[in-house]
Amino acid sequence: KAGVTQTPRYLIKTRGQQVTLSCSPISGHRSVSWYQQTPGQGLQFLFEYFSETQRNKGNFPGRFSGRQFSNSRSEMNVSTLELGDSALYLCASSLEYSTDTQYFGPGTRLTVL
Amino acid sequence: AQTVTQSQPEMSVQEAETVTLSCTYDTSESDYYLFWYKQPPSRQMILVIRQEAYKQQNATENRFSVNFQKAAKSFSLKISDSQLGDAAMYFCAYRSVGSNFGNEKLTFGTGTRLTIIP
Repeated sequence: KAGVTQTPRYLIKTRGQQVTLSCSPISGHRSVSWYQQTPGQGLQFLFEYFSETQRNKGNFPGRFSGRQFSNSRSEMNVSTLELGDSALYLCASSLEYSTDTQYFGPGTRLTVL
Repeated sequence: AQTVTQSQPEMSVQEAETVTLSCTYDTSESDYYLFWYKQPPSRQMILVIRQEAYKQQNATENRFSVNFQKAAKSFSLKISDSQLGDAAMYFCAYRSVGSNFGNEKLTFGTGTRLTIIP
């Protein structure tokens, strides 16, 4: 069974631009979570989606948004990029919401210049 | 809010030896999950082992085992017969069970970088 896939793997943007990252969960998984990883802040939770509904949200500004489609694929969007948004963005999927183990994708490395 | 603490930023072990990574957590909940993930240089986060808080028996997965002390809120990972491929950043993580709706995210520790000495 294929694992979690994320596209693109690497991205370079400039301040003020917006970016969309994509995540395809493991087949059959219905929950998708997003995390931001930086050297300074470590791993921080962004949001979690289940059945196309956002179930949980971390402490990030409104510039960070996401959505989930009926096939469980998810996208996250960051508008008006700032230098501090440079990070590894990890997507994780689980079979169901809340009680299941999360399996991670390889991440998208975003660099903001 | 739950917190996870990994007090060892770096550890090293001789190949084939045993090493233990420490993790403590703070929670007021009685039911939850604990995980160890490894993140090698490829940055792919890989599940190592999972423990349900309601289970008293410590989880094991081949060379990896945990020492779960619920009362002490401690969750250490033991790696036996260390191999070069075990070199990675190891993260301890906590997840609430669904009874605490809206708070079921994974909370990670700051990680322990494990080096294997040939």
